[in-house]
Amino acid sequence: QQQVKQSPQSLIVQKGGISIINCAYENTAFDYFPWYQQFPGKGPALLIAIRPDVSEKKEGRFTISFNKSAKQFSLHIMDSQPGDSATYFCAASTGTGAGSYQLTFGKGTKLSVIP
Amino acid sequence: KAGVTQTPRYLIKTRGQQVTLSCSPISGHRSVSWYQQTPGQGLQFLFEYFSETQRNKGNFPGRFSGRQFSNSRSEMNVSTLELGDSALYLCASRPPGTSNSPLHFGNGTRLTVT
Repeated sequence: QQQVKQSPQSLIVQKGGISIINCAYENTAFDYFPWYQQFPGKGPALLIAIRPDVSEKKEGRFTISFNKSAKQFSLHIMDSQPGDSATYFCAASTGTGAGSYQLTFGKGTKLSVIP
Repeated sequence: KAGVTQTPRYLIKTRGQQVTLSCSPISGHRSVSWYQQTPGQGLQFLFEYFSETQRNKGNFPGRFSGRQFSNSRSEMNVSTLELGDSALYLCASRPPGTSNSPLHFGNGTRLTVT
């Protein structure tokens, strides 16, 4: 059962444009929603994260929008640059007790920003 | 600070063999998690260790096991390898603090089973 659904699978955006990636989750116990960026040959790196008590978080050109009632969240990349070309993963987590922690990931979106 | 270090970077094994992967977390990080990444299934949680104890396990068969040492370094072992075990295995560590402190991933070990 896929608990975090991510779309689109791939995305091509013109340089300077806005990239939008969407995720939907099912488990209402999730309480932390990070986005990771992965370049070929590298491990995922945390980009930005949000908790469900806020509806939006912005860091530089990256913004997370969160809709708790719809159980959806999205990543917006403003002024997309060729260097942003990577695979992006949304994720969700909830503490499982005793301080334990696991991330449930979406399947990823391969973003290509063309000059 | 050095990042999460995984060795080796690449491995080629034959079906039926067993393999051990190694992970050194960021200094001061006591929690180490392992994830499997494949094109079809994406990133899937294997297990998490803290203070040498496994405190959470994903939905993987018993052929997948791990351990953590007193210096927080971790190893994972896969026995009786199957073709479907070919994947990128990622180790991640996180700093002490709240249960949602960020995960820091290594660059993975690429395992190919032939």
